[in-house]
Amino acid sequence: NAGVTQTPKFRVLKTGQSMTLLCAQDMNHEYMYWYRQDPGMGLRLIHYSVGEGTTAKGEVPDGYNVSRLKKQNFLLGLESAAPSQTSVYFCASSFHKGYEQYFGPGTRLTVT
Amino acid sequence: KNEVEQSPQNLTAQEGEFITINCSYSVGISALHWLQQHPGGGIVSLFMLSSGKKKHGRLIATINIQEKHSSLHITASHPRDSAVYICAVGLVNTGNQFYFGTGTSLTVIP
Repeated sequence: NAGVTQTPKFRVLKTGQSMTLLCAQDMNHEYMYWYRQDPGMGLRLIHYSVGEGTTAKGEVPDGYNVSRLKKQNFLLGLESAAPSQTSVYFCASSFHKGYEQYFGPGTRLTVT
Repeated sequence: KNEVEQSPQNLTAQEGEFITINCSYSVGISALHWLQQHPGGGIVSLFMLSSGKKKHGRLIATINIQEKHSSLHITASHPRDSAVYICAVGLVNTGNQFYFGTGTSLTVIP
């Protein structure tokens, strides 16, 4: 089992460019999450999904969109990147609400 | 807003020492999660608990619901325990969301 994987691992964007981060899990988990981690702050939830075809906003959703067309994949999109979106992005999944979360290795994104 | 407070922020210990990391929260929770973030950045789940105590190897996690407090203990600490330890809480009223503390950075010196 690969667990939770994220693509890409690193990316540099110019302001205004767009990109999609891919998260994949092979544990048949229902719940998937996207977080961002910034220096001096705890992980913050961007968007999450409670099952295939569903998405919901988290604590800091502005500037991001997500899709969960297949149960194993959760995509995070940045339509027009801004320097404030420079961060490390983590994807996580869990069997259900209240269960432990399994994290991907992270994607380091820099927006110049 | 800071639903989760961790202390200390930084901790340096000698190999073999008993270590305690604290997590306090301000509102009712459904569950509390302890995680470890390695120097390379990877995040690993250590414990999920909603009451009492859990033990795994040299790690022990306790939670006191009445006092809104949890502790993570490491016995016989080792340099490989050096990492950032993160506490996260699932609040009763937020359903699916966890709120994360800023972490405790632990360095264990040989």
